[in-house]
Amino acid sequence: EAQVTQNPRYLITVTGKKLTVTCSQNMNHEYMSWYRQDPGLGLRQIYYSMNVEVTDKGDVPEGYKVSRKEKRNFPLILESPSPNQTSLYFCASSARDSRTDTQYFGPGTRLTVL
Amino acid sequence: GQQVMQIPQYQHVQEGEDFTTYCNSSTTLSNIQWYKQRPGGHPVFLIQLVKSGEVKKQKRLTFQFGEAKKNSSLHITATQTTDVGTYFCAGPAGAAGNKLTFGGGTRVLVKP
Repeated sequence: EAQVTQNPRYLITVTGKKLTVTCSQNMNHEYMSWYRQDPGLGLRQIYYSMNVEVTDKGDVPEGYKVSRKEKRNFPLILESPSPNQTSLYFCASSARDSRTDTQYFGPGTRLTVL
Repeated sequence: GQQVMQIPQYQHVQEGEDFTTYCNSSTTLSNIQWYKQRPGGHPVFLIQLVKSGEVKKQKRLTFQFGEAKKNSSLHITATQTTDVGTYFCAGPAGAAGNKLTFGGGTRVLVKP
């Protein structure tokens, strides 16, 4: 089954404790991205990657890091989480160009930073 | 930078009634996508519009792209409880980068 998976689905952590949210897709998609969703603000892009070893900042990249060592995986790293990073996070992938290709979203990771 | 606004933010609809939600961009769009997110779920692609004035239908949902390609609308006929969720529009974020800009969404609540 074609899908995007994220882990963990729920995470409660404390300020400053490094964490990684994993994202994996099995559709051989070139494009992957991370979004955060906050009430009333829609989906805001954090980082995106157009292919292996190619990443770029989205609209809200501060406090986040990503890497794309393999085509299928695109982990999101919070080196020193802060309470304002409490949010619902979605990973998404599309075949090549997010502007024209359907984006497939993962199930989401709800993060709470205390 | 580019902004995509959706109105209304919330829509309470009586089951069986029609309603329309609107999406407006600060810049001309080459195309626009619509997604639906059910409560507790993730966004799911609905449709993409590309041509000026384009109209597409999916059962009770009618999507329209404005003539100037700066706005779009989603009209739902005879609303059902299965229509509950948040509807997002998204457009390419300008020439630079490979990004979509999402609107804030319209959250639809249906009264039985």
